Amino acid sequence: NAGVTQTPKFQVLKTGQSMTLQCAQDMNHEYMSWYRQDPGMGLRLIHYSVGAGITDQGEVPNGYNVSRSTTEDFPLRLLSAAPSQTSVYFCASSPPGQERYEQYFGPGTRLTVT
Amino acid sequence: AQSVAQPEDQVNVAEGNPLTVKCTYSVSGNPYLFWYVQYPNRGLQFLLKYITGDNLVKGSYGFEAEFNKSQTSFHLKKPSALVSDSALYFCAVRDDRTGGFKTIFGAGTRLFVKA
Repeated sequence: NAGVTQTPKFQVLKTGQSMTLQCAQDMNHEYMSWYRQDPGMGLRLIHYSVGAGITDQGEVPNGYNVSRSTTEDFPLRLLSAAPSQTSVYFCASSPPGQERYEQYFGPGTRLTVT
Repeated sequence: AQSVAQPEDQVNVAEGNPLTVKCTYSVSGNPYLFWYVQYPNRGLQFLLKYITGDNLVKGSYGFEAEFNKSQTSFHLKKPSALVSDSALYFCAVRDDRTGGFKTIFGAGTRLFVKA
């Protein structure tokens, strides 16, 4: 198993540009989520999904869209990038059916918006 | 609403000494509690969790954590620190009543173990 994979590893955008961060997992996990990590603020939940076709907002959803058309993939779309979205983005997944399971994290995408 | 507090930005300890990284939480229902570790330029790795049962939970790399319901705490401990334990540690909580799969993380505590 490759686990949770994220692409790209690094990205530089200009203000106003849009892009999609990719996340995929091959463990048949139902639950997937996106976090951003900023110094001194820990990880903040952007959006999450409990299964294909079901998504919900986290703590900081503004400026981001998600969709979940398959169990494996959970892309995060930045609609119009802003410097405040400069951050490290992590995707994570959990096994099906139980809230008590830990999350498996991808290696992250470092995004800079100029 | 769920919340997690890690009151120390950094913890310094000498190699061989015991270490404690503190975490307190707030939830409406019963908590599911987790500790994760992050090494430089890497994603988070799971260390241990408390779901129910014994208040002392043992995890990876010799770490353990004690759940204290009255103090709403879940402190991470290790009897003898190693230089290789130096990393960023995150406490996280899920609320079984309102949060579902929604996980809230603390701000993180940087552990520095000196040789």
